[in-house]
Amino acid sequence: DTAVSQTPKYLVTQMGNDKSIKCEQNLGHDTMYWYKQDSKKFLKIMFSYNNKELIINETVPNRFSPKSPDKAHLNLHINSLELGDSAVYFCASSQSGSPREQFFGPGTRLTVL
Amino acid sequence: GQQVMQIPQYQHVQEGEDFTTYCNSSTTLSNIQWYKQRPGGHPVFLIQLVKSGEVKKQKRLTFQFGEAKKNSSLHITATQTTDVGTYFCAGSSNDYKLSFGAGTTVTVRA
Repeated sequence: DTAVSQTPKYLVTQMGNDKSIKCEQNLGHDTMYWYKQDSKKFLKIMFSYNNKELIINETVPNRFSPKSPDKAHLNLHINSLELGDSAVYFCASSQSGSPREQFFGPGTRLTVL
Repeated sequence: GQQVMQIPQYQHVQEGEDFTTYCNSSTTLSNIQWYKQRPGGHPVFLIQLVKSGEVKKQKRLTFQFGEAKKNSSLHITATQTTDVGTYFCAGSSNDYKLSFGAGTTVTVRA
């Protein structure tokens, strides 16, 4: 069983479109994250939810909107996609409390044309 | 804000040789984690260091946390082709947020 899963794995779309990425974890964790990894492999935190509550909201354009319907799911919706949004987006989860080991999903490679 | 710097960005190693990657923070960290990302893969947790001066070993990998809790290192001995990938350090200062270093991408010459 996959611990942290993301869909889709690949996403190719035109500028200006709206798209969503979904993430699910079956580890029973309370905290979930979205990271963006650019072409230079730099990993940057975007959002984090703990028990469905937003706890980290980095400087991210408001075209990006996370949503956590329950503790096991964290989705990312992106409006009006731009070329610079092209990257690999990783979902991760961890137990609550002071930083714990994070389990990453396989990533979603987003390409904006 | 907190920044974690990591060097070198690239490390080309002859199989069998040793190498070290270094991590430095602008602020004191409560803990530091290390992750490995294989080419085309996702980051996988390796270890977490919490105590000042802590040293932990995993087979050929040795992790250290500095006395001032502002720096860390990962030393790999007798590099193998399976060590290929990008190694990230990630530091935290008493909150949920991990700040990742830029990573050291390791290639191995057989």
